[in-house]
Amino acid sequence: GAVVSQHPSWVICKSGTSVKIECRSLDFQATTMFWYRQFPKQSLMLMATSNEGSKATYEQGVEKDKFLINHASLTLSTLTVTSAHPEDSSFYICSARSSGRVTTNTEAFFGQGTRLTVV
Amino acid sequence: GDSVTQMEGPVTLSEEAFLTINCTYTATGYPSLFWYVQYPGEGLQLLLKATKADDKGSNKGFEATYRKETTSFHLEKGSVQVSDSAVYFCALGYNNAGNMLTFGGGTRLMVKP
Repeated sequence: GAVVSQHPSWVICKSGTSVKIECRSLDFQATTMFWYRQFPKQSLMLMATSNEGSKATYEQGVEKDKFLINHASLTLSTLTVTSAHPEDSSFYICSARSSGRVTTNTEAFFGQGTRLTVV
Repeated sequence: GDSVTQMEGPVTLSEEAFLTINCTYTATGYPSLFWYVQYPGEGLQLLLKATKADDKGSNKGFEATYRKETTSFHLEKGSVQVSDSAVYFCALGYNNAGNMLTFGGGTRLMVKP
C-alpha cells in the first residue's frame, strides 16, 4: 500500500515553544490530509482537515491559531503546535488519501504518529 | 453525533487462542465500518472493512461482520499468533466525508508464546 511518513515520531519540548510535525505522502499525491489527536485511553479525535492550497477546516473546539496547519504541496502537510503547554501533550497522527474521486474502496493511509511531550 | 466504543485493553492471550475484540457504534447515517491495526513503531494500516449491513470483512485470518441490528462490528480471529500483537482500532466513516474517520479508543492485544 501507499506510504505516509510522519516526522518526528516523538518530540519533547519546553512549555512556550513551538513544534512542527510533518506528514508526507511518499508515493502518491494527497489532496486531502487529516490530523488526529489521541489522549491516553481515549479515541483518536479529528482535529482538522487539510486541503492542498487552501485553508484547513478545523473541528469544533480546536484552536486554529494554536494548531497551525499548512498544506503547501500535494505531498506535504505540516501541523505546528504554537506556544505549547503540557496539556498539549498527546499523540498526533495524520492520514492522507490520494487525489481523485473518493469511493468506498478508497483507502486512507496513516502516518506512524508523533508523541509530543511538553515539559 | 457518531461514536465508536471498543473494549479496553490490554487483551493478553496465549498463541493459538481465539480472539474477540468488541466494537459498537452509534451513527446518524449509514457508515462503512473499519478495523485498523497499528504495529509497534508503524502507522495505522487498514485491516478490513465492511460497507453495508451484513457484510463480512476479512483479512489475514481476521474477520468482522457489520451487524446493524446490534450496531456492532466485533473483530475475531480463530488462532492468534505472536505477530498479531498490536493495537487495533475500530472506526466508521462515510463515503462523502473523504476518508474522515471516527475512531474507537483502540485495544492493545498482546499474544504470548
